[in-house]
Amino acid sequence: QSVLTQPPSVSGAPGQRVTISCTGSSSNIGAGYDVHWYQQLPGTAPKLLISDNINRPSGVPDRFSGSKSGTSASLAITGLQAEDAADYYCQSYDSSLTGWVFGGGTRLTVL
Amino acid sequence: QVQLVESGGGVVQPGGSLRLSCAASGFTFSHYGMHWVRQAPGKGLQWVTFIRYDGENQYYADSVKGRFTISRDNSKNTVSLQMKSLRSDDTAVYYCAKGGDGWLPHFVNWGQGTLVTVSS
Repeated sequence: QSVLTQPPSVSGAPGQRVTISCTGSSSNIGAGYDVHWYQQLPGTAPKLLISDNINRPSGVPDRFSGSKSGTSASLAITGLQAEDAADYYCQSYDSSLTGWVFGGGTRLTVL
Repeated sequence: QVQLVESGGGVVQPGGSLRLSCAASGFTFSHYGMHWVRQAPGKGLQWVTFIRYDGENQYYADSVKGRFTISRDNSKNTVSLQMKSLRSDDTAVYYCAKGGDGWLPHFVNWGQGTLVTVSS
């Protein structure tokens, strides 16, 4: 059971918009710790997608955006493309566990 | 560009030990904290341990505390993970990751990973 809760899977057709939620608690996201998002393409290492809740590293398309409110965060992907099919993970810090925590991951299927 | 190359993975019996290494290049290694993150087959990501830029402070997940030790050599741009008393649930791909700026750095760059299999 992950500390941060994500839906196991989401799907969308090319060109559509999808969102992936990440729900935490008062000891992590709700405590004000930043949320970061990672994309893991099949058979590869994870890659930083969104940092500090809303920031896109250089090279990440602006189709990807992040938001955070209260004890939750979301990743939105607009103009869905086949190459976006991947596993997505949210990550924060938890003061009760005194460690870095991940969501269980969400598999995005592009129909 | 940042490059992280892990090595040292392999098959080890339960109760055994293994030492992983991560060679870093493309950035000022001594300025950044470093993490190890693992991923069991078909499972999600799990943070394992973090060491600050100067090696003075280390942090561990409860599941590995007392069994794993992280260390770094800033003169050789390497970070290591000594693992002992290995169990079957330690089987995973182990990634080293460069920390970002700040006191609780996230995972900015990742290596390709090295597979550790604990099996008799």
